[in-house]
Amino acid sequence: EAGVAQSPRYKIIEKRQSVAFWCNPISGHATLYWYQQILGQGPKLLIQFQNNGVVDDSQLPKDRFSAERLKGVDSTLKIQPAKLEDSAVYLCASSPWTGGANTEAFFGQGTRLTVV
Amino acid sequence: DAKTTQPPSMDCAEGRAANLPCNHSTISGNEYVYWYRQIHSQGPQYIIHGLKNNETNEMASLIITEDRKSSTLILPHATLRDTAVYYCIVRAQNSGGSNYKLTFGKGTLLTVNP
Repeated sequence: EAGVAQSPRYKIIEKRQSVAFWCNPISGHATLYWYQQILGQGPKLLIQFQNNGVVDDSQLPKDRFSAERLKGVDSTLKIQPAKLEDSAVYLCASSPWTGGANTEAFFGQGTRLTVV
Repeated sequence: DAKTTQPPSMDCAEGRAANLPCNHSTISGNEYVYWYRQIHSQGPQYIIHGLKNNETNEMASLIITEDRKSSTLILPHATLRDTAVYYCIVRAQNSGGSNYKLTFGKGTLLTVNP
């Protein structure tokens, strides 16, 4: 089966500019996650969707970050305006919904953002 | 969420077993232990998970102590391609109780040497 697709793979922007990342999860996966991974650290969950509804966005900096998942399929994550500390890899992951039973999450390759 | 503690780095000789420890002394009775790994420049990859019994799949074995306060991931015959950061994670539920999220720590950098 096709994996989680993300684009672009790399992005360089100047601070105060805007940027958007796109994610297409594995077909049929109801749950979609966006993680931020700063160099040398483990991934940090930014937002989690169940279909097109948000179930956890407690660590999303809502003054500059936004995410949507229209129609419960693909998703976009936006940063506006970007700061230097937003330089990181942004990972998208998806998992099937099985009514609460444990399932694994499948990750994309990520988008490496550099803010200069 | 239960926290995990892992050594920052480990070395292993190619062809030997790699044993990666993880402490999770505050784990709750219904929380699972998951292991993921992340090879350089790739997204994390699921390896294995378990609740209380030992588990084995084609990639690895997971040994969980009887009191569930620690576990060990075993790669029986490590290869150079197993060089990666290995994350031990305790499954957490969202506040709504109906979804699960993965909270990553810093993991263990395993270096397999020729």
